[in-house]
Amino acid sequence: AQTVTQSQPEMSVQEAETVTLSCTYDTSESDYYLFWYKQPPSRQMILVIRQEAYKQQNATENRFSVNFQKAAKSFSLKISDSQLGDAAMYFCAYRNFYNNNDMRFGAGTRLTVKP
Amino acid sequence: SQTIHQWPATLVQPVGSPLSLECTVEGTSNPNLYWYRQAAGRGLQLLFYSVGIGQISSEVPQNLSASRPQDRQFILSSKKLLLSDSGFYLCAWSVPDREAGELFFGEGSRLTVL
Repeated sequence: AQTVTQSQPEMSVQEAETVTLSCTYDTSESDYYLFWYKQPPSRQMILVIRQEAYKQQNATENRFSVNFQKAAKSFSLKISDSQLGDAAMYFCAYRNFYNNNDMRFGAGTRLTVKP
Repeated sequence: SQTIHQWPATLVQPVGSPLSLECTVEGTSNPNLYWYRQAAGRGLQLLFYSVGIGQISSEVPQNLSASRPQDRQFILSSKKLLLSDSGFYLCAWSVPDREAGELFFGEGSRLTVL
């Protein structure tokens, strides 16, 4: 079974600085999707960014970008110019390409943004 | 636009009592629906998913059950709650057969069993 590991339970960053959240996963598949979700204190989880494994180019969404290393099975999230509103739990997730209903989540990283 | 709502937001129940958490999706039809449980430090665990009315798949054996009586309604139930059922429950939906299949989550329901 695929597993997703987030080795940093907590991270902190100074406002306007850059922070990188780590994620590794284990799979024997070659086609899959990877996601980063954000869960603010209000609790509604939202999608931050996604990456298709067949794409070599790293996904970018405004201040959020990923470093996808397929061979290393690594999928880190970089947040640039951190803002107070970025404070949240961040979850890395893996989805099997062929099974739309099999999404696996990491344990999460709590990000604190210091003013 | 599509929205998802789940309720109640918080619930405190005694051991042995029944449970019903409800989730509805608006603005779409025939969504895939999911119930997840979120435990501190352990991420999200998929409990049930449904690809259509009356079609429920269970991922883990447990004290809970799910039902989908209508296309956009998903209910999580228990006949007799256990202490171990305490947790944060998230409902989610996705577009069937969409390439990436990202999930859209509800606000969550905090269940405390005493």
